[in-house]
Amino acid sequence: AQSVTQPDIHITVSEGASLELRCNYSYGATPYLFWYVQSPGQGLQLLLKYFSGDTLVQGIKGFEAEFKRSQSSFNLRKPSVHWSDAAEYFCAVGAPGTASKLTFGTGTRLQVTL
Amino acid sequence: NAGVTQTPKFQVLKTGQSMTLQCAQDMNHNSMYWYRQDPGMGLRLIYYSASEGTTDKGEVPNGYNVSRLNKREFSLRLESAAPSQTSVYFCASSVSRGTPNEQFFGPGTRLTVL
Repeated sequence: AQSVTQPDIHITVSEGASLELRCNYSYGATPYLFWYVQSPGQGLQLLLKYFSGDTLVQGIKGFEAEFKRSQSSFNLRKPSVHWSDAAEYFCAVGAPGTASKLTFGTGTRLQVTL
Repeated sequence: NAGVTQTPKFQVLKTGQSMTLQCAQDMNHNSMYWYRQDPGMGLRLIYYSASEGTTDKGEVPNGYNVSRLNKREFSLRLESAAPSQTSVYFCASSVSRGTPNEQFFGPGTRLTVL
């Protein structure tokens, strides 16, 4: 069974600073990887996804993520954080033949200081 | 398109009461899911429906039942609510044609059981 670890529960960055949120997965084959964002009181919105091909994936709102098979990682990055990026971020992994079931990490809460 | 809708948005129950959470999607998706979100736990899958007419248990099914009423609607029932079921509940849907695809989430139902 697949699993996801987000080692950082809470991260604080200054507006304009760069951001990297860590995600490590466990899965035997090539995983299907996702990053979602959840603003307070809202549902989850997809930021980006990786299925195959180019290991650097571009998403919405200026986010990108890099798949590194050797490190079993799929870290989320943004060059310059905006105050509106304050939210909770979830990494998720899926596997073929599982009715698109996703396994979510426990999330990283991002705080942005002005 | 409304996407995924959930009712109600908020609910307070007393221990032992029953209720049904409603979910509908208008994207013609095959698969639907119910999650619960608790602080520090991420999202945990309660039940899912890979296609109309099928339902399966997820990670935390105890105390819940589901009905896939038709392709659009997937309801979650608490027969005898317990304080441990205090949580935020999310419904999601996905195209899901054999490979993991993006899940689209509803806005959530915040449930408190006293």
